[in-house]
Amino acid sequence: GAVVSQHPSWVICKSGTSVKIECRSLDFQATTMFWYRQFPKQSLMLMATSNEGSKATYEQGVEKDKFLINHASLTLSTLTVTSAHPEDSSFYICSARNRLQPRLEQYFGPGTRLTVT
Amino acid sequence: AQSVTQLGSHVSVSEGALVLLRCNYSSSVPPYLFWYVQYPNQGLQLLLKYTSAATLVKGINGFEAEFKKSETSFHLTKPSAHMSDAAEYFCAVSGRGAYAGGTSYGKLTFGQGTILTVHP
Repeated sequence: GAVVSQHPSWVICKSGTSVKIECRSLDFQATTMFWYRQFPKQSLMLMATSNEGSKATYEQGVEKDKFLINHASLTLSTLTVTSAHPEDSSFYICSARNRLQPRLEQYFGPGTRLTVT
Repeated sequence: AQSVTQLGSHVSVSEGALVLLRCNYSSSVPPYLFWYVQYPNQGLQLLLKYTSAATLVKGINGFEAEFKKSETSFHLTKPSAHMSDAAEYFCAVSGRGAYAGGTSYGKLTFGQGTILTVHP
């Protein structure tokens, strides 16, 4: 199956700093990427949907100025957590698919664990 | 709007016993339904999906699920549990328009998750 990678796999940052998380589709073109947040012992909550070359669509309650998403190419999307605070500590997971290939599944990255101290 | 409810946040079975993880959905449109497995500190792996073909869907690792419209259910089963099945399982739903390339293309709504423990 197709592979989606995330970098870094874990990161610790100080409160007030910004952190960038990368999501890459390694062997297919990802026209659409999704960013999820998963708190401990909870389900995945969709944060935003990004389509290559377009602005991301954020879910209700997600601050777009805090969680900056860029999807500049068909293989890379980035999530930047700006002015991070301890409550932003979470497991961030991306997924990717190609809307021009509807039979192609949505593939998930391995996740990035963010800890804000 | 769609939603998914997984009954039971924790399920414990003995090795070799039947695994049954329950999922009920709510959808205003014909749904696509999915089961994913997540191992600790990893992303999600698709186990199986229902996309309106056969109502009994077979997936990887011996899992299967049956779509029952009358019961709005999509329960996951495996006849004989293995130690390696211990993980967290998520049921998810999407609208068919989302799957076919509509404006909400690919959006999944996940259930709360069920942690499966397998005892020797």
